[in-house]
Amino acid sequence: KAGVTQTPRYLIKTRGQQVTLSCSPISGHRSVSWYQQTPGQGLQFLFEYFSETQRNKGNFPGRFSGRQFSNSRSEMNVSTLELGDSALYLCASSLIDMNTEAFFGQGTRLTVV
Amino acid sequence: DAKTTQPPSMDCAEGRAANLPCNHSTISGNEYVYWYRQIHSQGPQYIIHGLKNNETNEMASLIITEDRKSSTLILPHATLRDTAVYYCIVRWQGAQKLVFGQGTRLTINP
Repeated sequence: KAGVTQTPRYLIKTRGQQVTLSCSPISGHRSVSWYQQTPGQGLQFLFEYFSETQRNKGNFPGRFSGRQFSNSRSEMNVSTLELGDSALYLCASSLIDMNTEAFFGQGTRLTVV
Repeated sequence: DAKTTQPPSMDCAEGRAANLPCNHSTISGNEYVYWYRQIHSQGPQYIIHGLKNNETNEMASLIITEDRKSSTLILPHATLRDTAVYYCIVRWQGAQKLVFGQGTRLTINP
């Protein structure tokens, strides 16, 4: 079966712009989580969605937001981009919640210039 | 979630068993031990998880001490493709997130 698909794979944006990243989970998976990975902070949890509802949120400013659609696909948005937002953004999906095995996508590499 | 401690780096010869330790002395009774790995520039990959019994799958074995304060991930016959950062994560069953530490950078040498 197809894995977790994240688009785009690479993105370059300018400070102050906004960006939307997309994640298509594995078919049948209803939980989608987002993580940010930077060399300095490592992998950090952003938020988790289940059945179109955000159930958990990490410690990130309000510029980071997300949503999940009825088909479980998810998007995350970052507004007013800062240089420090440059990172690998990873999406993970699982059947119900992270209690079951989580499958990660390849990530979207965002560079803010 | 309980905190985990892992060595920052380890080396292992190709074909030998790689044993990666993890300390989780504050683990509580309903928390599981999970292992993920991340090969360079890819998303993390689930390896194995367990509560208190030793577990084995096609990728690895997980040995959890009787007091559950530490565990060891064993890759029985390491290959060059096992070179990655390995993360030990402790989390309770209903948790909706994974809390990653710095992990262990495992290098398999030919």
